[in-house]
Amino acid sequence: NAGVTQTPKFRILKIGQSMTLQCTQDMNHNYMYWYRQDPGMGLKLIYYSVGAGITDKGEVPNGYNVSRSTTEDFPLRLELAAPSQTSVYFCASSSLGNSPLHFGNGTRLTVT
Amino acid sequence: QQQVKQSPQSLIVQKGGIPIINCAYENTAFDYFPWYQQFPGKGPALLIAIRPDVSEKKEGRFTISFNKSAKQFSLHIMDSQPGDSATYFCAASGDTGFQKLVFGTGTRLLVSP
Repeated sequence: NAGVTQTPKFRILKIGQSMTLQCTQDMNHNYMYWYRQDPGMGLKLIYYSVGAGITDKGEVPNGYNVSRSTTEDFPLRLELAAPSQTSVYFCASSSLGNSPLHFGNGTRLTVT
Repeated sequence: QQQVKQSPQSLIVQKGGIPIINCAYENTAFDYFPWYQQFPGKGPALLIAIRPDVSEKKEGRFTISFNKSAKQFSLHIMDSQPGDSATYFCAASGDTGFQKLVFGTGTRLLVSP
């Protein structure tokens, strides 16, 4: 029972580089989310999706892009990495809009 | 108005003690209040949740108390165990049919043996 799988677990980027954080879920959930977690700041919503082909901005979308071509996958793209994007990124999914979130184990990203 | 304020930032209790974590909110449109538990290296997981039509909800050793007039809610852990050592996040969302959660800043709990 894989649930929500995120890859990679760790990554170091240089300023200006780009990368894609992968997220896939095998629970056939319609709703998917990307959060970032910074020490003492809680979790902030970056982007979310209510189904394949539909995405919308969360609280802190600047510097990120997403796509949702399938129900299972919800990749997060960083185009020009900046030190302010150093964080732990969590992908989550839920079956309905108001049902519990299932989180992956996160990607720790460092931008230097 | 979208914030959820959580305290304390960290908490140390002895085994068997009752740690209490408090959260306060301003947005009166919030009507769903979950607590998430996070162990090191893992993603958060739903622990317990409450809606404002009740003042208290218990699930095992975990209890949420809710005060609608004060716009506050808290998590109590009865008979705490070392295995409860984790970071706890409160959160809130409005009944928009979509769970756009606003999280508190987290409380790191250590239960000493």
